[in-house]
Amino acid sequence: DSGVTQTPKHLITATGQRVTLRCSPRSGDLSVYWYQQSLDQGLQFLIQYYNGEERAKGNILERFSAQQFPDLHSELNLSSLELGDSALYFCASSLSGNSGNTIYFGEGSWLTVV
Amino acid sequence: AQTVTQSQPEMSVQEAETVTLSCTYDTSESDYYLFWYKQPPSRQMILVIRQEAYKQQNATENRFSVNFQKAAKSFSLKISDSQLGDAAMYFCAYRSVGSSNTGKLIFGQGTTLQVKP
Repeated sequence: DSGVTQTPKHLITATGQRVTLRCSPRSGDLSVYWYQQSLDQGLQFLIQYYNGEERAKGNILERFSAQQFPDLHSELNLSSLELGDSALYFCASSLSGNSGNTIYFGEGSWLTVV
Repeated sequence: AQTVTQSQPEMSVQEAETVTLSCTYDTSESDYYLFWYKQPPSRQMILVIRQEAYKQQNATENRFSVNFQKAAKSFSLKISDSQLGDAAMYFCAYRSVGSSNTGKLIFGQGTTLQVKP
Protein backbone atom coordinates (compact mmCIF):
# COMPACT_ATOMS: atom_id res chain seq x y z
CA ASP A 1 0.00 0.00 0.00
CA SER A 2 1.60 3.22 -1.23
CA GLY A 3 -0.58 5.47 0.91
CA VAL A 4 -2.00 7.26 -2.15
CA THR A 5 -5.74 6.74 -2.42
CA GLN A 6 -7.70 7.08 -5.63
CA THR A 7 -11.44 6.88 -6.19
CA PRO A 8 -13.27 5.50 -8.00
CA LYS A 9 -11.28 2.41 -8.96
CA HIS A 10 -13.43 1.74 -12.01
CA LEU A 11 -15.76 3.99 -13.95
CA ILE A 12 -17.80 3.42 -17.08
CA THR A 13 -19.42 6.39 -18.73
CA ALA A 14 -20.78 7.49 -22.08
CA THR A 15 -19.22 9.76 -24.65
CA GLY A 16 -19.87 13.42 -24.03
CA GLN A 17 -20.14 12.98 -20.28
CA ARG A 18 -18.02 14.49 -17.51
CA VAL A 19 -16.32 12.63 -14.67
CA THR A 20 -14.23 13.55 -11.66
CA LEU A 21 -11.40 11.42 -10.35
CA ARG A 22 -10.28 11.97 -6.79
CA CYS A 23 -6.91 11.51 -5.16
CA SER A 24 -5.68 11.70 -1.58
CA PRO A 25 -1.89 11.92 -1.39
CA ARG A 26 0.29 10.22 1.18
CA SER A 27 0.23 11.87 4.55
CA GLY A 28 2.65 14.80 4.51
CA ASP A 29 3.14 14.86 0.74
CA LEU A 30 2.61 18.29 -0.79
CA SER A 31 3.01 17.45 -4.46
CA VAL A 32 0.44 15.60 -6.54
CA TYR A 33 0.89 14.33 -10.08
CA TRP A 34 -1.63 12.97 -12.57
CA TYR A 35 -0.66 10.47 -15.24
CA GLN A 36 -2.61 8.80 -17.99
CA GLN A 37 -1.75 5.28 -19.12
CA SER A 38 -3.22 4.12 -22.41
CA LEU A 39 -2.28 1.30 -24.74
CA ASP A 40 -1.20 3.52 -27.58
CA GLN A 41 0.50 6.35 -25.69
CA GLY A 42 2.02 4.67 -22.67
CA LEU A 43 2.42 6.63 -19.44
CA GLN A 44 1.87 10.31 -20.06
CA PHE A 45 2.32 13.08 -17.52
CA LEU A 46 -0.76 15.29 -17.34
CA ILE A 47 -0.32 17.84 -14.60
CA GLN A 48 1.36 18.52 -11.26
CA TYR A 49 0.27 20.51 -8.24
CA TYR A 50 2.37 21.57 -5.33
CA ASN A 51 0.73 22.79 -2.13
CA GLY A 52 -2.36 23.95 -3.99
CA GLU A 53 -0.61 25.64 -6.90
CA GLU A 54 -0.25 24.30 -10.41
CA ARG A 55 3.42 23.46 -10.93
CA ALA A 56 3.65 21.91 -14.36
CA LYS A 57 1.50 20.91 -17.27
CA GLY A 58 2.17 18.02 -19.57
CA ASN A 59 0.07 16.49 -22.29
CA ILE A 60 -3.23 17.49 -20.76
CA LEU A 61 -6.14 18.19 -23.06
CA GLU A 62 -8.13 21.40 -22.73
CA ARG A 63 -11.16 19.26 -21.90
CA PHE A 64 -9.33 18.11 -18.77
CA SER A 65 -8.68 20.17 -15.69
CA ALA A 66 -7.42 19.56 -12.20
CA GLN A 67 -7.06 21.24 -8.86
CA GLN A 68 -5.52 20.65 -5.48
CA PHE A 69 -7.51 21.67 -2.45
CA PRO A 70 -6.31 23.18 0.86
CA ASP A 71 -6.41 19.72 2.46
CA LEU A 72 -4.06 18.65 -0.36
CA HIS A 73 -6.40 16.19 -2.01
CA SER A 74 -6.70 16.59 -5.75
CA GLU A 75 -9.34 16.11 -8.38
CA LEU A 76 -8.98 15.52 -12.10
CA ASN A 77 -11.99 16.57 -14.13
CA LEU A 78 -12.51 15.06 -17.56
CA SER A 79 -15.27 16.54 -19.71
CA SER A 80 -16.79 15.99 -23.16
CA LEU A 81 -15.42 12.48 -22.95
CA GLU A 82 -14.38 10.64 -26.08
CA LEU A 83 -13.72 6.96 -26.68
CA GLY A 84 -10.00 7.71 -26.79
CA ASP A 85 -10.06 8.98 -23.23
CA SER A 86 -10.48 5.43 -22.01
CA ALA A 87 -7.38 4.78 -19.94
CA LEU A 88 -5.95 4.15 -16.52
CA TYR A 89 -5.46 7.41 -14.67
CA PHE A 90 -2.85 7.45 -11.96
CA CYS A 91 -2.41 9.90 -9.18
CA ALA A 92 0.98 10.04 -7.51
CA SER A 93 2.45 12.09 -4.71
CA SER A 94 5.77 13.12 -3.28
CA LEU A 95 6.98 15.14 -0.33
CA SER A 96 8.07 18.02 -2.50
CA GLY A 97 8.08 18.77 -6.18
CA ASN A 98 11.64 19.10 -7.27
CA SER A 99 13.95 17.03 -5.17
CA GLY A 100 14.90 13.41 -5.10
CA ASN A 101 11.91 12.46 -3.02
CA THR A 102 10.33 9.26 -4.19
CA ILE A 103 7.09 9.53 -6.13
CA TYR A 104 4.47 7.06 -4.92
CA PHE A 105 1.59 5.97 -7.09
CA GLY A 106 -1.99 5.16 -6.28
CA GLU A 107 -3.71 2.09 -7.70
CA GLY A 108 -5.25 4.09 -10.51
CA SER A 109 -8.74 4.80 -11.74
CA TRP A 110 -9.88 2.78 -14.73
CA LEU A 111 -12.01 4.91 -17.02
CA THR A 112 -13.97 3.29 -19.81
CA VAL A 113 -15.83 5.54 -22.21
CA VAL A 114 -18.53 3.77 -24.25
CA ALA B 1 13.51 17.69 -23.67
CA GLN B 2 14.45 14.49 -21.96
CA THR B 3 13.48 11.14 -23.44
CA VAL B 4 13.62 7.58 -22.17
CA THR B 5 13.82 4.56 -24.45
CA GLN B 6 13.26 0.92 -23.64
CA SER B 7 14.07 -1.04 -26.75
CA GLN B 8 12.88 -4.44 -25.51
CA PRO B 9 9.07 -4.66 -25.61
CA GLU B 10 9.16 -8.20 -24.17
CA MET B 11 11.66 -10.36 -22.35
CA SER B 12 11.47 -13.79 -20.81
CA VAL B 13 13.55 -15.56 -18.20
CA GLN B 14 13.57 -18.95 -16.58
CA GLU B 15 12.77 -19.03 -12.90
CA ALA B 16 15.92 -18.70 -10.75
CA GLU B 17 17.95 -17.27 -13.61
CA THR B 18 19.15 -13.72 -14.23
CA VAL B 19 17.74 -11.22 -16.70
CA THR B 20 18.76 -7.71 -17.69
CA LEU B 21 16.34 -5.06 -18.93
CA SER B 22 17.76 -2.20 -20.97
CA CYS B 23 17.05 1.50 -20.80
CA THR B 24 18.68 4.47 -22.47
CA TYR B 25 17.88 8.11 -21.99
CA ASP B 26 18.70 11.42 -23.53
CA THR B 27 19.37 14.56 -21.51
CA SER B 28 21.60 17.58 -21.42
CA GLU B 29 21.40 17.79 -17.64
CA SER B 30 24.22 16.68 -15.41
CA ASP B 31 22.16 15.92 -12.33
CA TYR B 32 19.04 13.81 -12.31
CA TYR B 33 17.48 10.66 -10.92
CA LEU B 34 16.67 7.41 -12.63
CA PHE B 35 14.12 4.86 -11.52
CA TRP B 36 12.75 1.45 -12.35
CA TYR B 37 9.08 0.89 -11.61
CA LYS B 38 7.31 -2.45 -11.73
CA GLN B 39 3.70 -2.78 -12.87
CA PRO B 40 2.28 -6.24 -12.15
CA PRO B 41 -1.07 -7.41 -13.55
CA SER B 42 -2.79 -5.51 -10.74
CA ARG B 43 -1.54 -2.35 -12.55
CA GLN B 44 -0.13 -0.85 -9.37
CA MET B 45 3.08 1.10 -10.01
CA ILE B 46 5.73 -0.10 -7.57
CA LEU B 47 9.13 1.50 -7.17
CA VAL B 48 11.86 -1.10 -7.62
CA ILE B 49 15.07 0.90 -7.44
CA ARG B 50 16.44 4.42 -7.84
CA GLN B 51 19.79 5.86 -8.84
CA GLU B 52 21.16 9.34 -8.28
CA ALA B 53 23.19 10.49 -11.26
CA TYR B 54 25.89 12.04 -9.08
CA LYS B 55 26.59 8.68 -7.48
CA GLN B 56 29.02 6.45 -9.33
CA GLN B 57 28.10 3.41 -7.29
CA ASN B 58 25.35 1.31 -8.80
CA ALA B 59 22.21 0.97 -6.69
CA THR B 60 21.13 -2.43 -5.41
CA GLU B 61 17.97 -3.61 -3.68
CA ASN B 62 18.10 -7.28 -2.75
CA ARG B 63 17.85 -9.22 -6.05
CA PHE B 64 17.60 -6.04 -8.11
CA SER B 65 20.60 -4.05 -9.22
CA VAL B 66 21.35 -1.49 -11.89
CA ASN B 67 24.21 -0.86 -14.26
CA PHE B 68 24.38 2.92 -14.57
CA GLN B 69 26.62 4.19 -17.34
CA LYS B 70 26.33 7.98 -17.23
CA ALA B 71 28.50 8.73 -20.24
CA ALA B 72 26.61 6.24 -22.35
CA LYS B 73 23.27 7.39 -20.86
CA SER B 74 22.38 3.81 -20.11
CA PHE B 75 20.53 2.46 -17.09
CA SER B 76 19.86 -1.28 -17.15
CA LEU B 77 18.10 -3.35 -14.51
CA LYS B 78 19.39 -6.75 -13.52
CA ILE B 79 17.08 -9.17 -11.76
CA SER B 80 18.87 -12.10 -10.14
CA ASP B 81 17.30 -15.38 -9.06
CA SER B 82 14.11 -14.49 -10.92
CA GLN B 83 10.88 -15.44 -9.24
CA LEU B 84 7.39 -15.95 -10.64
CA GLY B 85 6.29 -12.82 -8.80
CA ASP B 86 8.74 -10.76 -10.85
CA ALA B 87 6.54 -11.17 -13.91
CA ALA B 88 5.33 -7.68 -14.73
CA MET B 89 5.85 -4.70 -16.97
CA TYR B 90 8.92 -2.71 -16.00
CA PHE B 91 9.24 0.99 -16.67
CA CYS B 92 12.40 3.02 -16.68
CA ALA B 93 11.89 6.63 -15.63
CA TYR B 94 13.87 9.87 -15.53
CA ARG B 95 13.43 12.78 -13.15
CA SER B 96 15.11 16.16 -13.31
CA VAL B 97 16.26 17.90 -10.15
CA GLY B 98 16.80 21.48 -9.20
CA SER B 99 14.52 24.40 -8.35
CA SER B 100 13.74 25.15 -11.99
CA ASN B 101 12.40 21.67 -12.61
CA THR B 102 9.05 20.23 -11.71
CA GLY B 103 10.28 16.84 -10.68
CA LYS B 104 7.84 14.94 -12.86
CA LEU B 105 8.75 11.47 -14.07
CA ILE B 106 9.37 10.77 -17.74
CA PHE B 107 8.73 7.13 -18.57
CA GLY B 108 9.97 4.75 -21.19
CA GLN B 109 7.61 2.55 -23.15
CA GLY B 110 7.97 -0.39 -20.79
CA THR B 111 9.27 -3.95 -21.02
CA THR B 112 7.01 -6.89 -20.29
CA LEU B 113 8.91 -9.57 -18.39
CA GLN B 114 7.68 -13.15 -18.47
CA VAL B 115 9.06 -15.60 -15.92
CA LYS B 116 8.86 -19.25 -16.92
CA PRO B 117 8.61 -21.94 -14.24
